[in-house]
Amino acid sequence: DAGVIQSPRHEVTEMGQEVTLRCKPISGHDYLFWYRQTMMRGLELLIYFNNNVPIDDSGMPEDRFSAKMPNASFSTLKIQPSEPRDSAVYFCASSLWTDGELFFGEGSRLTVL
Amino acid sequence: GQQVMQIPQYQHVQEGEDFTTYCNSSTTLSNIQWYKQRPGGHPVFLIQLVKSGEVKKQKRLTFQFGEAKKNSSLHITATQTTDVGTYFCAERNAGGTSYGKLTFGQGTILTVHP
Repeated sequence: DAGVIQSPRHEVTEMGQEVTLRCKPISGHDYLFWYRQTMMRGLELLIYFNNNVPIDDSGMPEDRFSAKMPNASFSTLKIQPSEPRDSAVYFCASSLWTDGELFFGEGSRLTVL
Repeated sequence: GQQVMQIPQYQHVQEGEDFTTYCNSSTTLSNIQWYKQRPGGHPVFLIQLVKSGEVKKQKRLTFQFGEAKKNSSLHITATQTTDVGTYFCAERNAGGTSYGKLTFGQGTILTVHP
């Protein structure tokens, strides 16, 4: 298996632009997670899905952030409009079981100017 | 919500010295997972502890889960430069409305001087 696949790997955009990050989980995994990592705040859970249904989105910073999982093999995290404070590495991860390990993608490094 | 506190935040050691990072919670943990993130990389799963007092070893790494399931530790014997990275503990919710949720501690950044 190719593992969790994220795109783009790097994105540089200007404040106010829309950003869409994409994730393909490992086939057969029922859980998908979106994390944000910064030096100041560490690894923050934004939202996670089980069987394509959002279970907990309490970590989503504000209405500018939205996430969808239209099917078992694809998820998006959208920021509209983007702001400089959104600059971070965004990780997607998937898991097979409720209590199993998470497999992380390589991450998407976002820079908002 | 549930929080795991991890100390120290940073640790600098000379190659060959031992290293320990600690994870503490004010409430009983369902389980503890440990991850390692190399500089510029992504978190990679190391191990999961579930039982009270559990001890597991992976070569030079020893993982412990406290008797009360409120703390955990990762100990590395005789560090090597390949051990450099950030070590995270994390709790995975086993039930409730947020079943399956994985919350990370702040991480311990380990640097090893050759």
